[in-house]
Amino acid sequence: EVQLVESGGGVVQPGGSLRLSCTASGSGFKFSETWMHWVRQVPGEGLVWVSRIDKAGSGTSYADSAKGRFTISRDSAKNTLYLQMNSLRVEDTAVYYCTAVDGYWGQGTLVTVSS
Amino acid sequence: QAGLTQPPSVSKGLRQTATLTCTGNSNNVGNEGAVWLQQNQGHPPKLLSYRNNKRPSGISERFSASRSGNTASLTISGLQPEDEADYYCSAWDSSLSGWVFGGGTKLTVL
Repeated sequence: EVQLVESGGGVVQPGGSLRLSCTASGSGFKFSETWMHWVRQVPGEGLVWVSRIDKAGSGTSYADSAKGRFTISRDSAKNTLYLQMNSLRVEDTAVYYCTAVDGYWGQGTLVTVSS
Repeated sequence: QAGLTQPPSVSKGLRQTATLTCTGNSNNVGNEGAVWLQQNQGHPPKLLSYRNNKRPSGISERFSASRSGNTASLTISGLQPEDEADYYCSAWDSSLSGWVFGGGTKLTVL
C-alpha cells in the first residue's frame, strides 16, 4: 500500500517559518520518477495548488501566493518531499497536502499561523 | 491565477444520474484534460479519473469522465448515499506550469 505521510505542521506566529516534510512508502509508487506537488486547503474551502517540483528536483514552480517565500525540494534517496515556508502570513493557514495530484495524496498536515 | 469553474452544488435523487461540469480554457482543460477528485468531510481528496478519462484501480464504473473542448464532465450513475461528497476537477495549466483547481461541487443525494 502506497502512503504519503506529511509532517512538520503546527502553530507559528506571523513572520515565522516552518518546514513541511512528506515521506513516501509502499510498492507501486516510484517517488523518484514522479513530479510532486504541495496543495493546500483552508478548512471548509477548496483546494489550491502551491508548488511543484520535477523528477530531478531541478525544475520548480510556485503559485503567486508562495513565490519568494516558499521553497520546494526533494531528496529522492529518502523518498521525501519538502516545503520550506518563510515569512508566514495568517492567510497561509491551511491543511497542506503532499500529492502527485493525478495520483496519490497524503493525509495532510495543518499549518496555523496566528499570533 | 484564475481557477476552473464548477457549479457550487448539485442535488439528485437516489439511483439517479448526476453530471458535474468543469470549465477551463485552452491552457488547461482544453490542452490536456482534467482529473476528478472526490473528497469526503475530514478526509484527503481521492482520485476518481485521470486526464485521459480512465479510472484508477478500485474506482467504480459508475464514475465516468469525459471532455469536450474546454469543458470536462464527471457523470455519476446510480447515485448512492455514499456518493454525497465534494467533487473537484483539476487540470495542468501550461501557462502557470502548475495545477489549477475548480472551486468544487457539493453533491447531495436526496
